[in-house]
Amino acid sequence: DAKTTQPTSMDCAEGRAANLPCNHSTISGNEYVYWYRQIHSQGPQYIIHGLKNNETNEMASLIITEDRKSSTLILPHTTLRDTAVYYCIVRGYNNNDMRFGAGTRLTVKP
Amino acid sequence: NAGVTQTPKFQVLKTGQSMTLQCAQDMNHEYMSWYRQDPGMGLRLIHYSVGAGITDQGEVPNGYNVSRSTTEDFPLRLLSAAPSQTSVYFCASSLGLAGGTTDTQYFGPGTRLTVL
Repeated sequence: DAKTTQPTSMDCAEGRAANLPCNHSTISGNEYVYWYRQIHSQGPQYIIHGLKNNETNEMASLIITEDRKSSTLILPHTTLRDTAVYYCIVRGYNNNDMRFGAGTRLTVKP
Repeated sequence: NAGVTQTPKFQVLKTGQSMTLQCAQDMNHEYMSWYRQDPGMGLRLIHYSVGAGITDQGEVPNGYNVSRSTTEDFPLRLLSAAPSQTSVYFCASSLGLAGGTTDTQYFGPGTRLTVL
């Protein structure tokens, strides 16, 4: 079973930031939070991951709450090409199993 | 680099037939894995390998075999196809295991398999 809970779908206006929430209340101390996205029927694409601290890269920012029970993926300036299913995954160190849930279907609208 | 490549892109089988889905990567990655994705669902891990000669089962291994004779290749075998194996199959690879920047998984484009 996936260890995360995400909303089924979200909409966002093009050019605005998209904030995608994820609950992982049973996360343990050595588990990381990963975000991937899947555009249409392509293979998933890595976005970002973190353990405790907030992280930022060229694609997105990841905000993890202090108790680590939830996180938010922020896409700062969305475009239509950001329309995809976004997966939040909890994965332990040296754990080979990435459990993908159903994810959040983000639709960016013009 | 071509990244992760998968062949074929599409395949239709009859029940009971066997086939091998090919996966190759040219990034010298140690870790490779196979997932299946059913309509409207997330990916589920079938088998994985942490290096040549080493394989292990994932969440849904029944009906599938794997081997890893080289670092580059990780074929998935269906010995006797069943309609329940109709799905999209993704292969992935990463440099290392979880916990560091080396464990970003790169996914192939997928193989769409239909079993009649």
